[in-house]
Amino acid sequence: QSVLTQPPSASGTPGQRVTISCSGSSSNIGSNYVYWYQQLPGTAPKLLIYRNNQRPSGVPDRFSGSKSGTSASLAISGLRSEDEANYYCAAWDDSLSALFGTGTKVTVL
Amino acid sequence: QVTLKESGPVLVKPTETLTLTCTVSGFSLSNARLGVSWIRQPPGKALEWLAHIFSNDEKSYSTSLKSRLTISKDTSKSQVVLTMTNMDPVDTATYYCARIPARQWLVWFDPWGQGTLVTVSS
Repeated sequence: QSVLTQPPSASGTPGQRVTISCSGSSSNIGSNYVYWYQQLPGTAPKLLIYRNNQRPSGVPDRFSGSKSGTSASLAISGLRSEDEANYYCAAWDDSLSALFGTGTKVTVL
Repeated sequence: QVTLKESGPVLVKPTETLTLTCTVSGFSLSNARLGVSWIRQPPGKALEWLAHIFSNDEKSYSTSLKSRLTISKDTSKSQVVLTMTNMDPVDTATYYCARIPARQWLVWFDPWGQGTLVTVSS
């Protein structure tokens, strides 16, 4: 089963901007919306970004999403210690299956 | 307030069938706009989508696990049930259920249940 590819790790110091990439194909990211989930240590995932770049209420505007072609990105600006978590992208695939990314662990140095 | 809670066995033996229940509150499984998905996560690994179901009984399954999965619902009990046959140690994972709040956006999972850890071992 195909997956969406993310870098395994990303890091930054407090206040910095961190960007996470998510690479797919024409059958998933290329033709469907991208979603991002944040998973804090020991907890269930939480919706962070929906439909490429929309933030649910309560999600700080430090988090932003974008999509171009068959890739997507999540940016965290003004990095804070509480942002240390695993981040997953997700998209529907036209083979009638939902796909998650491989996950990126963000570390605040 | 919308909540989902997973329940089921903590330990299953290889070759056995796993049955998990997701009990929802704060919304109705008869609502045509809403659905429920099952997603799992092996320890230290990434999330993996398993299946979803909607009020009209429309279902979809992971292509790689389709032969082993069955999803169903009991609207009167506000429960969604997932069965997985022929369990193997590689199926050891935390199993989550999550609401799909908009039928046309099938990867929009919000909120999630707390998850239940299932270990497969003899």
